[in-house]
Amino acid sequence: DTGVSQDPRHKITKRGQNVTFRCDPISEHNRLYWYRQTLGQGPEFLTYFQNEAQLEKSRLLSDRFSAERPKGSFSTLEIQRTEQGDSAMYLCASSLVQALGNTIYFGEGSWLTVV
Amino acid sequence: AQKITQTQPGMFVQEKEAVTLDCTYDTSDPSYGLFWYKQPSSGEMIFLIYQGSYDQQNATEGRYSLNFQKARKSANLVISASQLGDSAMYFCAMRENNAGNMLTFGGGTRLMVKP
Repeated sequence: DTGVSQDPRHKITKRGQNVTFRCDPISEHNRLYWYRQTLGQGPEFLTYFQNEAQLEKSRLLSDRFSAERPKGSFSTLEIQRTEQGDSAMYLCASSLVQALGNTIYFGEGSWLTVV
Repeated sequence: AQKITQTQPGMFVQEKEAVTLDCTYDTSDPSYGLFWYKQPSSGEMIFLIYQGSYDQQNATEGRYSLNFQKARKSANLVISASQLGDSAMYFCAMRENNAGNMLTFGGGTRLMVKP
């Protein structure tokens, strides 16, 4: 059983460039989440999908951010015109939707450094 | 107001001793779940233990137990027989039934186990 996988694990980019992160959830999980975590803080919710539908977006998700889950399987998170404040770890997670107690499983995260 | 508060930024514990990590929460939703995650330096968020708001007994998972005091809105994590590999960040998180089921995290506690 493979867990949540994210790619790339590390990305260094120049300010103004676009970056894209990919997340492959646990295969039978229909919910997929994106979180952002800055140094010394807990993760903050960005958005989540149920199957291919994006059901909620945080106010943290500015219009430079876009997330997709086209076939209800893998997801991508794109950041356009990156800024230094975007430097953070981007965590993907997945779960089953049936019950409140269903565990949300996280990937290892994608570290972004904007220089 | 903070939904999840972890008041201990850092803690030391002697190897083989027990340690309690504090977590208080704030919600008006009668149906919610409380989670603890461990985050080692590699970045992955590792699920440890879950407690539902309607659960009558405190949750236990191996060396981890959750001291759930509903009236006080606290959900402290107890780690028994600490091991060097327990050194990591620990995050308390809450999932509310009426809030899209995403997790809200506290600021974390860094636990350091001394040999």
